[in-house]
Amino acid sequence: SQKIEQNSEALNIQEGKTATLTCNYTNYSPAYLQWYRQDPGRGPVFLLLIRENEKEKRKERLKVTFDTTLKQSLFHITASQPADSATYLCALDAGDRDDKIIFGKGTRLHILP
Amino acid sequence: AAGVIQSPRHLIKEKRETATLKCYPIPRHDTVYWYQQGPGQDPQFLISFYEKMQSDKGSIPDRFSAQQFSDYHSELNMSSLELGDSALYFCASSLRRGGGYTFGSGTRLTVV
Repeated sequence: SQKIEQNSEALNIQEGKTATLTCNYTNYSPAYLQWYRQDPGRGPVFLLLIRENEKEKRKERLKVTFDTTLKQSLFHITASQPADSATYLCALDAGDRDDKIIFGKGTRLHILP
Repeated sequence: AAGVIQSPRHLIKEKRETATLKCYPIPRHDTVYWYQQGPGQDPQFLISFYEKMQSDKGSIPDRFSAQQFSDYHSELNMSSLELGDSALYFCASSLRRGGGYTFGSGTRLTVV
C-alpha cells in the first residue's frame, strides 16, 4: 500500500539556521508533491507544489526538491524564524489519475530563539 | 480574498445523534474535498466532488454521506455518531488540474 514517511520526531532548529524536512514515499508515482503548513487546530495552508519533472522549486525563503528516483522530497526553510514553528505536511498528488491528495503525518518544527 | 468557509466551527453532539457540517468553497474552484483529522494524526481523505458529482471516496463510514449543491456548497452528514468520530473535519477546494488545495478552518466535532 502507499506509504508516506516524514521525520516522526520533532525538529528543533536554532533561529537563523536552515531547517530541512524530509518526505519519503513508497508504492506511489505522484504527478505532483505538495507541502503544507499546519498550526494547531487550524487547517493546512498550501505552501508549494512541485511537479514530477521538476527538480527544485523556490518561493521566498522556501525551497523544495523532488527526486523521483529516490522517491524523496526535501523541504528547506532558510533564515528560519520562530514564526516558522508549525507542523509541515507533505502530500502526494497523482494528478489526473486520482482526485485526492494523500498526506504524510507531518513533522513538527520548532525554531528556537 | 475569500477563503473556504466552514460552519459551524465547533459542534458538540451526543452518541447516536446526527450532525451536518457545511462548506462553502472558493468561487470558481471546481473540486471540493472532505478530510477528517484525529488528534496528532494526518488528515484522512473522506470524499470529493468535482463539478457537483462525487468524484472519489476514501475511508468514509457508511454512516456518513455528503453532497454538493447547485451553488457549489457542500454538506457532510454524519449519523449514528460514535465517540470515535470526534475529530477536526476539514473541507478544501481546488481547481482540479495541478493546484494546491485551500483548506477551511475546520469544524471541531466532539461526540460525548
